[in-house]
Amino acid sequence: DARVTQTPRHKVTEMGQEVTMRCQPILGHNTVFWYRQTMMQGLELLAYFRNRAPLDDSGMPKDRFSAEMPDATLATLKIQPSEPRDSAVYFCASRGYYEQYFGPGTRLTVT
Amino acid sequence: ELKVEQNPLFLSMQEGKNYTIYCNYSTTSDRLYWYRQDPGKSLESLFVLLSNGAVKQEGRLMASLDTKARLSTLHITAAVHDLSATYFCAVYSGGGADGLTFGKGTHLIIQP
Repeated sequence: DARVTQTPRHKVTEMGQEVTMRCQPILGHNTVFWYRQTMMQGLELLAYFRNRAPLDDSGMPKDRFSAEMPDATLATLKIQPSEPRDSAVYFCASRGYYEQYFGPGTRLTVT
Repeated sequence: ELKVEQNPLFLSMQEGKNYTIYCNYSTTSDRLYWYRQDPGKSLESLFVLLSNGAVKQEGRLMASLDTKARLSTLHITAAVHDLSATYFCAVYSGGGADGLTFGKGTHLIIQP
């Protein structure tokens, strides 16, 4: 049963700390996305990769967020330094052809 | 900029009734997705609609796409409590932009 996995599932951290979220896409999927979900803004696209190359990160605050895909089985999203307004659920998704599947999400709370 | 509007945003209905959720979008697209989200959970893919006139059905849910009207509908037939969830439509804008633009979601409560 192929699925997208994400770690950690929950993260509580203090303002100013670095946060790293990890995603393992479905094997064979060549497009990987990071989304953020909040009550106020809903679901927003942060960044995505195709064949590991970053194609669009216009949805991310550039000064504190960075996204990388060091290999085909791992995508990372890093926030440094974190702020309370970054509190949200961060979803990774991967797409093979048309279907786009979401991981379970990382629920981030920044105090 | 692509905008996606869903309505209604909240819907409370009784079991056994039929209802339709509407999804309008602002620019040309020939690919539209429907997802379900339960509280505290991830998004579950329901349907991908790939062309004008596409219709897909799964159980009590049926989705359709009219690309000329820039409208998709999600129809619920004889609703049951297990269908209570938030339903999102999402539009693929294409043209090299691979990400999806989501509507705000329809929070559906089905009462016995």
